[in-house]
Amino acid sequence: SQQGEEDPQALSIQEGENATMNCSYKTSINNLQWYRQNSGRGLVHLILIRSNEREKHSGRLRVTLDTSKKSSSLLITASRAADTASYFCATDDNQGGKLIFGQGTELSVKP
Amino acid sequence: NAGVTQTPKFQVLKTGQSMTLQCAQDMNHEYMSWYRQDPGMGLRLIHYSVGAGITDQGEVPNGYNVSRSTTEDFPLRLLSAAPSQTSVYFCASSYGTSGYNEQFFGPGTRLTVL
Repeated sequence: SQQGEEDPQALSIQEGENATMNCSYKTSINNLQWYRQNSGRGLVHLILIRSNEREKHSGRLRVTLDTSKKSSSLLITASRAADTASYFCATDDNQGGKLIFGQGTELSVKP
Repeated sequence: NAGVTQTPKFQVLKTGQSMTLQCAQDMNHEYMSWYRQDPGMGLRLIHYSVGAGITDQGEVPNGYNVSRSTTEDFPLRLLSAAPSQTSVYFCASSYGTSGYNEQFFGPGTRLTVL
């Protein structure tokens, strides 16, 4: 069963704009991760945020976590055409520690 | 380091045929997983292993078999292929439990079952 759900399913923006993707999950978690997948490729890990953290940065990426709302957001600032990809959130199942993925947000950045 | 490698990249099978998808990693990771990715479904866990000799089922294990005889290799066997197994298959590895650690993914195997 899916734990995380991303919103929106698809997002199209112009280069230089910021992109925000949201993830909601159902049960309590220990960690939440974000991954990127370029078309036809494997997933690449972007960032891991623990349940006791509220915000984390990595370069142009900013991830927030609100455990009271069971939601997370990924912000990509000053987007580039190379950021065009699908973005997935994934949470641990809070039992055996397996990772459960959402359905993803498809981001298109137009030059 | 090669990271996580998967072979083959593409495969076409007929219904009822069997085959093995290969996965290997050279990072000495204990934890390895197999996922399938279908349009609109995200990634779903098929089987996983927490170390050599130890495997367990994920969310969608039916029709698949795994073994882990070495730390490096984690092959996925399709016992009798069905059209419903048409999908993209990803192998992943991590230093520890996947929910707590960054996972490294292979490039995927695109499987079509006719």
